[in-house]
Amino acid sequence: DGGITQSPKYLFRKEGQNVTLSCEQNLNHDAMYWYRQDPGQGLRLIYYSQIVNDFQKGDIAEGYSVSREKKESFPLTVTSAQKNPTAFYLCASSPHRTGGYGYTFGSGTRLTVV
Amino acid sequence: AQTVTQSQPEMSVQEAETVTLSCTYDTSESDYYLFWYKQPPSRQMILVIRQEAYKQQNATENRFSVNFQKAAKSFSLKISDSQLGDAAMYFCAYRSYRDDKIIFGKGTRLHILP
Repeated sequence: DGGITQSPKYLFRKEGQNVTLSCEQNLNHDAMYWYRQDPGQGLRLIYYSQIVNDFQKGDIAEGYSVSREKKESFPLTVTSAQKNPTAFYLCASSPHRTGGYGYTFGSGTRLTVV
Repeated sequence: AQTVTQSQPEMSVQEAETVTLSCTYDTSESDYYLFWYKQPPSRQMILVIRQEAYKQQNATENRFSVNFQKAAKSFSLKISDSQLGDAAMYFCAYRSYRDDKIIFGKGTRLHILP
């Protein structure tokens, strides 16, 4: 079945470490997105990508980095520069960059700083 | 910039009753799309219903329907015959016709009372 796979489901980071969250889709979608979810804050856009080898910053990109080397993959790195990384991270994809399509979401990664 | 506001952080409804979740948005555009997403305790985001702004007819999906008031920039979700499985966080969301980013409200947590 087509879908989006996020891994790991739970991730623990020590202070000063970089960690990478995986997002893979087999839907042949062009666009992919990373959102951060905090209690009472809704979903906030971190980065998005419309095509391979291109991506744009969202509203809260500081302390994060991404790559889009393959259409299927859009990993998110949480760097040590992100001061408050504990959150739930959601990856999503959409067939095209325009046209009013809704997103298909992965099941999320819960990141905790220890 | 577009914004989405959900003024009810939490709501409760008796099982089998009807409940309406409110959403307002702000935009200067005329072509756009509106969505309601459900996030159950599993945290998997599920698209509940989608509305195209150029359509006057309100979207319906089984027990879920919307009241779309374009002039008032209001997009409420009505859940009829509430079931225990409807307990979740509900997010209202906006997407411009020309853009690929979806803007989410902060959510309304819905409790179903048996």
